Amino acid sequence: RKEVEQDPGPFNVPEGATVAFNCTYSNSASQSFFWYRQDCRKEPKLLMSVYSSGNEDGRFTAQLNRASQYISLLIRDSKLSDSATYLCVVNTAGGTSYGKLTFGQGTILTVHP
Amino acid sequence: GAGVSQSPSNKVTEKGKDVELRCDPISGHTALYWYRQSLGQGLEFLIYFQGNSAPDKSGLPSDRFSAERTGGSVSTLTIQRTQQEDSAVYLCASSPGPGSNQPQHFGDGTRLSIL
Repeated sequence: RKEVEQDPGPFNVPEGATVAFNCTYSNSASQSFFWYRQDCRKEPKLLMSVYSSGNEDGRFTAQLNRASQYISLLIRDSKLSDSATYLCVVNTAGGTSYGKLTFGQGTILTVHP
Repeated sequence: GAGVSQSPSNKVTEKGKDVELRCDPISGHTALYWYRQSLGQGLEFLIYFQGNSAPDKSGLPSDRFSAERTGGSVSTLTIQRTQQEDSAVYLCASSPGPGSNQPQHFGDGTRLSIL
């Protein structure tokens, strides 16, 4: 089993749609969780951290369920510019040790007019 | 700019040659990471440096791979006797500190092609 698993995608949605991505992780000791975004042939960039209580940043909402070891990302009112690969990222080192991150395979999102 | 800088941006070399990739982290960032991303694959952790501590080399795929970080700043990743399976994008990231909640800032990567 992979340490971080994501929806395989790809997701093709029209502008204005709401889309949700799911992710599961295997190390119950993981402490930090993130969603990164990677545009085609570009470097990954941090989209948002994911907190236990859930957090929102504009049109983006992230949720964490520690009991189920499950993370989600919801994008509302999709824009063409949201088209990218979304990477679920987990610190699988656990505890307070350093930020060794494990990346999921990524989910491709294409928003069309 | 003030971001992570990597060089070269592209490198094409023949199988069996050695290559050296360079990463210049964001000024003041003490943690530095190397990853690689093969075509259509996720990011694979290679090595981590934090301050003057011994690096975590647990992700290096073979003894042909090595990395160093001089003076706590610039890092070089060296691949000896390159093989075709080494072809990938090699990404460097830095973060302000070692904490697990520190976001990592990535460079543009070096696209390595082994002929």
